[in-house]
Amino acid sequence: AQSVTQLDSHVSVSEGTPVLLRCNYSSSYSPSLFWYVQHPNKGLQLLLKYTSAATLVKGINGFEAEFKKSETSFHLTKPSAHMSDAAEYFCVVSDRPLGTGKLIFGQGTTLQVKP
Amino acid sequence: EAGVTQFPSHSVIEKGQTVTLRCDPISGHDNLYWYRRVMGKEIKFLLHFVKESKQDESGMPNNRFLAERTGGTYSTLKVQPAELEDSGVYFCASSQDRHSGNTIYFGEGSWLTVV
Repeated sequence: AQSVTQLDSHVSVSEGTPVLLRCNYSSSYSPSLFWYVQHPNKGLQLLLKYTSAATLVKGINGFEAEFKKSETSFHLTKPSAHMSDAAEYFCVVSDRPLGTGKLIFGQGTTLQVKP
Repeated sequence: EAGVTQFPSHSVIEKGQTVTLRCDPISGHDNLYWYRRVMGKEIKFLLHFVKESKQDESGMPNNRFLAERTGGTYSTLKVQPAELEDSGVYFCASSQDRHSGNTIYFGEGSWLTVV
């Protein structure tokens, strides 16, 4: 069965410093992985997705994630945090290849950005 | 282009009452999904429609929940009778073509509080 584990429930960074949100996955086949973000009182927005192409995936707003099969990880990074990045982030795996199945969400990581 | 829209955005009802949540997917999207997040838990899949047919309803918690998608356009999710543990946020999502792994777009959610 597919699953994801987000290793931190809360991450706090200062504005202008790097962001690292950690995610490990478990999958019986080559997974499709996603990061979604939810800003307060907003819906879920897709940041980026990995579906077996390039292992370094670039997303919106300067975020990127690297798929590491040997470590079963898909960590989300950004070189420099902005105040507007404060939100809850979800690592997600599809239960079928190519992202065609239902989505399985991690527990979420709340990112706090301090001035 | 309008996104996925959900109504109502917030609802407070008493235990034992009925609530109906509505979702309008992006125009032309055959796939419609319902997810929910109850307090303190991760976002979980409820069910998936392809047009008007239920493709997968494995996530529906019990028979108090009824989802419909008459005519393959908008969908409703009825909870009858509501219980306290049904409180949470209900997300609707849609995608164009399941087999090509198209992006799944989420609405802003319907926040349900059962008192």
